[in-house]
Amino acid sequence: GENVEQHPSTLSVQEGDSAVIKCTYSDSASNYFPWYKQELGKRPQLIIDIRSNVGEKKDQRIAVTLNKTAKHFSLHITETQPEDSAVYFCAASRAGTASKLTFGTGTRLQVTL
Amino acid sequence: EAQVTQNPRYLITVTGKKLTVTCSQNMNHEYMSWYRQDPGLGLRQIYYSMNVEVTDKGDVPEGYKVSRKEKRNFPLILESPSPNQTSLYFCASSFDRGGRAEAFFGQGTRLTVV
Repeated sequence: GENVEQHPSTLSVQEGDSAVIKCTYSDSASNYFPWYKQELGKRPQLIIDIRSNVGEKKDQRIAVTLNKTAKHFSLHITETQPEDSAVYFCAASRAGTASKLTFGTGTRLQVTL
Repeated sequence: EAQVTQNPRYLITVTGKKLTVTCSQNMNHEYMSWYRQDPGLGLRQIYYSMNVEVTDKGDVPEGYKVSRKEKRNFPLILESPSPNQTSLYFCASSFDRGGRAEAFFGQGTRLTVV
């Protein structure tokens, strides 16, 4: 089955700096890669996703890049703010849907003032 | 309001006592799933359902059962809970349509088995 590795497990940045979280996947048939944000005590929520026919996608301060050859994808957050502090999960799906997701182990991002 | 509702939010039970965690969605989604979240392990899929009466195992199905008799409901059943099933459980419903996809998670159920 699919295996998703995520790094780093914790990340601390100063407000205004950029943050990058990286994930690698094992199944070359995976074709859908979402990122979820989970604030403390809350449910995971989708923040951005990318499909395998696209190399990069951007939404305001967040962007995701995908390298199919190397089987890795990354989340980039620019101009970080305290409200970006949360746990971020990457995921992969070979079904191309959000119904069968294999998640990474999560990255705890702390944005300090 | 579009939502996924799980009950109960918190549950403490004893080993071997059958329990059911309910999940209901009001978005008419075909897909529903159950995940467990454990520290350092992320979210792992237990079971998923593609539609009424259609279910399949996820990555960690042992010790769990599910049923999908109605489109909106997807209960998780632990016939004989054990302490290693102590975890935070999330139900999710999802769609994939017109190039867009998203999983919507319930508020979570924290289960402790003693």
